[in-house]
Amino acid sequence: NAGVMQNPRHLVRRRGQEARLRCSPMKGHSHVYWYRQLPEEGLKFMVYLQKENIIDESGMPKERFSAEFPKEGPSILRIQQVVRGDSAAYFCASSPITGQGELSYEQYFGPGTRLTVT
Amino acid sequence: AQSVAQPEDQVNVAEGNPLTVKCTYSVSGNPYLFWYVQYPNRGLQFLLKYITGDNLVKGSYGFEAEFNKSQTSFHLKKPSALVSDSALYFCAVSPSDTSGTYKYIFGTGTRLKVLA
Repeated sequence: NAGVMQNPRHLVRRRGQEARLRCSPMKGHSHVYWYRQLPEEGLKFMVYLQKENIIDESGMPKERFSAEFPKEGPSILRIQQVVRGDSAAYFCASSPITGQGELSYEQYFGPGTRLTVT
Repeated sequence: AQSVAQPEDQVNVAEGNPLTVKCTYSVSGNPYLFWYVQYPNRGLQFLLKYITGDNLVKGSYGFEAEFNKSQTSFHLKKPSALVSDSALYFCAVSPSDTSGTYKYIFGTGTRLKVLA
């Protein structure tokens, strides 16, 4: 069973460009979290999605950032008009549903995408 | 506000000596507690978790952690450190009353250096 996959692993964008980060959850997982790790800091929650639904986006900046998790395909974190302060590592994690039909508290992390804005 | 504190930015320990990486939290309810390790330019690797039950939990690579409810702490320990344990360690907490979501609150990380 392949782990959580993220691509690209490294992304360089000039100020003002758009960045698209992809996350493919583990097989059978339908819940995805995105976290951002700024240099020398811990990870900060951004958004939690189920297939076709944003459940909690309380950690997302109000402007320029959006996320989706379509019925088919990977989850996408999109950053429009990037600025230098967006340079960070962006991690995706996925969670399964338990045998009792509940969301598991366990999260499995991908390797991250390191975004550099020049 | 809910938070997780890792009071030490860096911990240095000699190889073969015991190590402790500290974590305290301020979260409502009965949280779930986790430790992750991050090697340079890599993702997070799960070490161990506390959900309920015995306060001492054992995890990967010989690590263990002790949950102390009265002190709201979850310190990571290992009896004998290896040079290969040198990495960045994160404590994470998931409040158990987040209305069906389990977003983690992370500490700022502690860099462990094991000296040969």
